[in-house]
Formats: sequence, C-alpha cells, structure tokens
Amino acid sequence: DAGITQSPRHKVTETGTPVTLRCHQTENHRYMYWYRQDPGHGLRLIHYSYGVKDTDKGEVSDGYSVSRSKTEDFLLTLESATSSQTSVYFCAVTSGAVYEQYFGPGTRLTVT
Amino acid sequence: KNEVEQSPQNLTAQEGEFITINCSYSVGISALHWLQQHPGGGIVSLFMLSSGKKKHGRLIATINIQEKHSSLHITASHPRDSAVYICAVVPPSDKLIFGTGTRLQVFP
Repeated sequence: DAGITQSPRHKVTETGTPVTLRCHQTENHRYMYWYRQDPGHGLRLIHYSYGVKDTDKGEVSDGYSVSRSKTEDFLLTLESATSSQTSVYFCAVTSGAVYEQYFGPGTRLTVT
Repeated sequence: KNEVEQSPQNLTAQEGEFITINCSYSVGISALHWLQQHPGGGIVSLFMLSSGKKKHGRLIATINIQEKHSSLHITASHPRDSAVYICAVVPPSDKLIFGTGTRLQVFP
C-alpha cells in the first residue's frame, strides 16, 4: 500500500460542467500519473508529473488539465465534461518507470 | 496494431491448473511490468522485470528481450487468482504502454 487515495471515488456530472479529481499520496514519490481505463483499451496516459509544478501531456490529454502544487497532490481537471470522458480514472505514483508502480483505487466518472 | 498485445483475452481454468498468459510487444523497452486488477477494480503490481525470470509464490514471470515476449505463469491456480492481468512495457520515453489485459476466471 503506497498510501494513495483518490477523491471522489464515484461522480455523476452533466455535460459542460467542470470536474476536478484529486490524487493524494503520502510517500513522497516523485512521479505521478493520471490514466483513464475504457473497455477495449489498455490504460491510457492523460497527463503526468515529474515534480512540483512540472507536468506534461500524455497520449489522451485533450480536454484535460492538471496541476501539482504540492508533492503529495496531483489534480486532474475536466474543464467542460463531455460524454466521451465517461471512464474510470486511475492515479499512479512511482519513483521511476522501471520501479514498482502504485495505483490508486480509481474514480468512476459518468458524464450524462 | 497495438504496440502491446496480450493473449488470450479471456481464459477459464479449473482450480489447480497451470496457467500461462502471454505478452508480445513491438517497441524497444527497458523493462516490463505485470499488473493484476482485482474484480473490485484495484490494480497492484506483480512484477517488474528487464531480463530472465522472477518468481513470487505461485507466480512466475519470464521475459525474452530478443523475441519481444513475456509470459506470466500461475501454478496450482486458485479461484482467488481470478482477475485481469495486465502487461505494460517501458519504452525509451519512460511512459508505460499497457496491454488490454487478460481476464482469468478460475473455477473450483
């Protein structure tokens, strides 16, 4: 257990509303990631962070933004949610890509 | 074509059977991860390997870098092994590329 929590765990929201998901870690890992998981796809990287205020885009970053103002928190924001963003979102942390990956419990987001 | 392919997509076994899940990839990598996703959705890391073989309890993971192939074996399978097993590779970008997973069901 790497002390990773995600909030909220479940959310239903309407198209066009902003949504922020939070990932919190307690073990000071440098790298933090946001993935989405959809049927028929592997986990896909949305954004990642390699340190406070250092973030970069992943493969499916359109419509998402992130912020990391503290080591322990990585926020994912959907500026204006769309139905295509209905998914399960996982946060992950690690000390590096060739080190063990620790995943949060996931957030199930439904956009109606 | 996906850069990481797993086979089979679905696997059913009787308790006690020996199970093999395969992962093939098409990119150069520095390491490969095997992950387990429980029916409740949580994902845990099983192995990270860059060469050879690793063993943890009844689980064995092997990798052949030249053939771009890895296998996950489960000996003496048990219903509690029922889960989705995910292969993920570490390419030069260091951003993991995930397979779509193998769903395993083990019946008593």
